[in-house]
Amino acid sequence: KNQVEQSPQSLIILEGKNCTLQCNYTVSPFSNLRWYKQDTGRGPVSLTIMTFSENTKSNGRYTATLDADTKQSSLHITASQLSDSASYICVYNAGNNRKLIWGLGTSLGVNP
Amino acid sequence: NAGVTQTPKFQVLKTGQSMTLQCAQDMNHNSMYWYRQDPGMGLRLIYYSASEGTTDKGEVPNGYNVSRLNKREFSLRLESAAPSQTSVYFCASSVRQGYQPQHFGDGTRLSIL
Repeated sequence: KNQVEQSPQSLIILEGKNCTLQCNYTVSPFSNLRWYKQDTGRGPVSLTIMTFSENTKSNGRYTATLDADTKQSSLHITASQLSDSASYICVYNAGNNRKLIWGLGTSLGVNP
Repeated sequence: NAGVTQTPKFQVLKTGQSMTLQCAQDMNHNSMYWYRQDPGMGLRLIYYSASEGTTDKGEVPNGYNVSRLNKREFSLRLESAAPSQTSVYFCASSVRQGYQPQHFGDGTRLSIL
């Protein structure tokens, strides 16, 4: 069982709709958690990074939340656009030079 | 605005051949990384370089070597390619030493027959 679980595995929504992607982690301690967007055929692009003391962080139409007590993070996309079609990956960092733990991503498709 | 540039973008090799994947960044970042991405698996770190002149093994270093040629360039070499090394390879960089990757290149898609 992966230590970072993302759900759903894939999702299709209509343009203009909102959606929320989930990331649950089972490891500790916690340093930070980062969300990346990866377009098909491209490298990951960092969207947000959240530390233990932050519970919400926004980047345009993307808003990430973190609940360190329940070990859950979510990425909310508002007013989706066709260009939001991509894989969204969360990455857990335990700090102290421990290895990063990458989720497998949620594949999001936005249809017109 | 180049960021992280990887060459080549695609490559097909025969088992046993060797090749070097090139990576260069123009952001004056200290740390650079090589990852591989395979279906059904998260990105896995092959090697990283916290700063110019240093390199360290990641999770899956076997079959690979690296060179941090200067602050800008970090190359990955496959000495004797194996089909298990068929993958998409990403180079990344970060401004702080040993910090997690911030900027990725667009990858090299490598097939080994």
